[in-house]
Amino acid sequence: DSGVTQTPKHLITATGQRVTLRCSPRSGDLSVYWYQQSLDQGLQFLIQYYNGEERAKGNILERFSAQQFPDLHSELNLSSLELGDSALYFCASSVYGGGQETQYFGPGTRLLVL
Amino acid sequence: DAKTTQPTSMDCAEGRAANLPCNHSTISGNEYVYWYRQIHSQGPQYIIHGLKNNETNEMASLIITEDRKSSTLILPHATLRDTAVYYCIAADYNAGNMLTFGGGTRLMVKP
Repeated sequence: DSGVTQTPKHLITATGQRVTLRCSPRSGDLSVYWYQQSLDQGLQFLIQYYNGEERAKGNILERFSAQQFPDLHSELNLSSLELGDSALYFCASSVYGGGQETQYFGPGTRLLVL
Repeated sequence: DAKTTQPTSMDCAEGRAANLPCNHSTISGNEYVYWYRQIHSQGPQYIIHGLKNNETNEMASLIITEDRKSSTLILPHATLRDTAVYYCIAADYNAGNMLTFGGGTRLMVKP
């Protein structure tokens, strides 16, 4: 158990819909990362938040957005869903200290878009 | 981040040491070598990381060559539960905070 929690575990929805994935980081971790893992793309970094502020952006679509709240939990919002958005979505947390840090991953949310 | 190269798959007998190689010939001085593994579709699990010196923890040992162009992850006594995809990642958190995952090595531990 990494200490990172994600809800829901599974999500089934239809094309065009909007969903919200939630992540609670480990106690004390200020940084939250979101990754997407699809069959054809592997694990890809989407976005990072540090203490409520966006810190880095990866291959995140404009239809996707995220935020980190004052209690440090984070939400990833996916809208206008397409079949190709079906994937595993992981969040990770770390203590951002520069130089070196270790990201700990949650169990993921499996999204299926029908 | 430097690109890493790993064999696509490896087999190991249960109880034997599993030695997983990784090439990172373009690694920069600021980049650490991280190892993660992913069992089925679970979240990636952190194993170990290092910069120059060899490292050991309760899960594994990491041997980094003196020129830092390659490394080996050693699982000293592999069990069936070690069957997973193992990812070697070179990361410089001063240059960017994301981990770049490649294809990894699929390790199959056999009875």
